[in-house]
Amino acid sequence: GENVEQHPSTLSVQEGDSAVIKCTYSDSASNYFPWYKQELGKRPQLIIDIRSNVGEKKDQRIAVTLNKTAKHFSLHITETQPEDSAVYFCAARNTSGTYKYIFGTGTRLKVLA
Amino acid sequence: SAVISQKPSRDICQRGTSLTIQCQVDSQVTMMFWYRQQPGQSLTLIATANQGSEATYESGFVIDKFPISRPNLTFSTLTVSNMSPEDSSIYLCSVGTSAKNEKLFFGSGTQLSVL
Repeated sequence: GENVEQHPSTLSVQEGDSAVIKCTYSDSASNYFPWYKQELGKRPQLIIDIRSNVGEKKDQRIAVTLNKTAKHFSLHITETQPEDSAVYFCAARNTSGTYKYIFGTGTRLKVLA
Repeated sequence: SAVISQKPSRDICQRGTSLTIQCQVDSQVTMMFWYRQQPGQSLTLIATANQGSEATYESGFVIDKFPISRPNLTFSTLTVSNMSPEDSSIYLCSVGTSAKNEKLFFGSGTQLSVL
């Protein structure tokens, strides 16, 4: 079935360093890839997204890259800050029926001050 | 973005009882979804709430256990029936804000604990 793999499951970085989270999807019909940030006890928040006709998208310290051929997409956070500490989820949305999302397993990011 | 109100925010329930969770959106949306997030886990789609027709359930979820209503384009309910401790989880409603369900936004969630 459709699947989204996400790595790593946990990631610790020093404040100011960069963090990279990677996802791989299986459904070649997927064409929209959002990233969500979930702080403890809060709802998932959409932080950035990319469509399959775009290779890269940036929003300040956050960027997402997509390799459609390899079915890989990645989240890059530069100049990390303690408030970036959270669980991050990638997702892939298919193009059939109800346009369902398949979520990755999540990455717990800790930014050490 | 859509403003999504979900209630209750949390509840502690006895085994064998049922709980109905409400989700209200501040604008009309075509697609509403219900997700479950077990402790420390990812988001699993329970069902798509269809306005005017029966919900579409994902593999592993059935209507008798998770009946869903969608009376209009701004409101939906999810009932967790005949609860057991394994149902302890966070339940989230979500809405897509475009025709192709892009920009998925989540309600604040319902933290359910079953004793």
